[in-house]
Amino acid sequence: GAGVSQSPSNKVTEKGKDVELRCDPISGHTALYWYRQRLGQGLEFLIYFQGNSAPDKSGLPSDRFSAERTGESVSTLTIQRTQQEDSAVYLCASSLQESYGYTFGSGTRLTVV
Amino acid sequence: EDQVTQSPEALRLQEGESSSLNCSYTVSGLRGLFWYRQDPGKGPEFLFTLYSAGEEKEKERLKATLTKKESFLHITAPKPEDSATYLCAVLGGANSKLTFGKGITLSVRP
Repeated sequence: GAGVSQSPSNKVTEKGKDVELRCDPISGHTALYWYRQRLGQGLEFLIYFQGNSAPDKSGLPSDRFSAERTGESVSTLTIQRTQQEDSAVYLCASSLQESYGYTFGSGTRLTVV
Repeated sequence: EDQVTQSPEALRLQEGESSSLNCSYTVSGLRGLFWYRQDPGKGPEFLFTLYSAGEEKEKERLKATLTKKESFLHITAPKPEDSATYLCAVLGGANSKLTFGKGITLSVRP
């Protein structure tokens, strides 16, 4: 597609429920990133996929968070047993090459009540 | 660990009043410094990449400069539509991901 697409754009969930966030990157972009943006905070790195290499999971805050990517296409970020502190905007970005900068999606705003 | 500090946190300008936004960084082996613009409810939008000290890039009313310790985003004669949050990020060393600052929220009054 023309840009990075994320769905849903908004998600309200009850504490303790699992949620799945989806990212559809720009076709041909081999690198895909997930970041989290809490209110008033900077972007916090979560996970990075590059082609068929093992993902860099060093930013995942707990084992409740996981992500998958199918080849060089769609990625899903899963949060199990959601907590109120998980409330944030989750941003996905893709890149042809890391030094070229990223193209971001519009994000998924997650609210845990 | 790469670090990025942006200042001020917020800036209010009158239309036409030029100013500069600062991004200070600490990185082992800078491979790129990036500026993004973020509007409310949207993802960051890429503006510039700078790769080495002394480099400058311009786009409309914006000009980004880079030294070995910091980068400036100069805004000349801003307009209300320049109101947004401006993010700075670095790519350094063996890292494969950008490290972002907290951003500077710019408001331009007509």
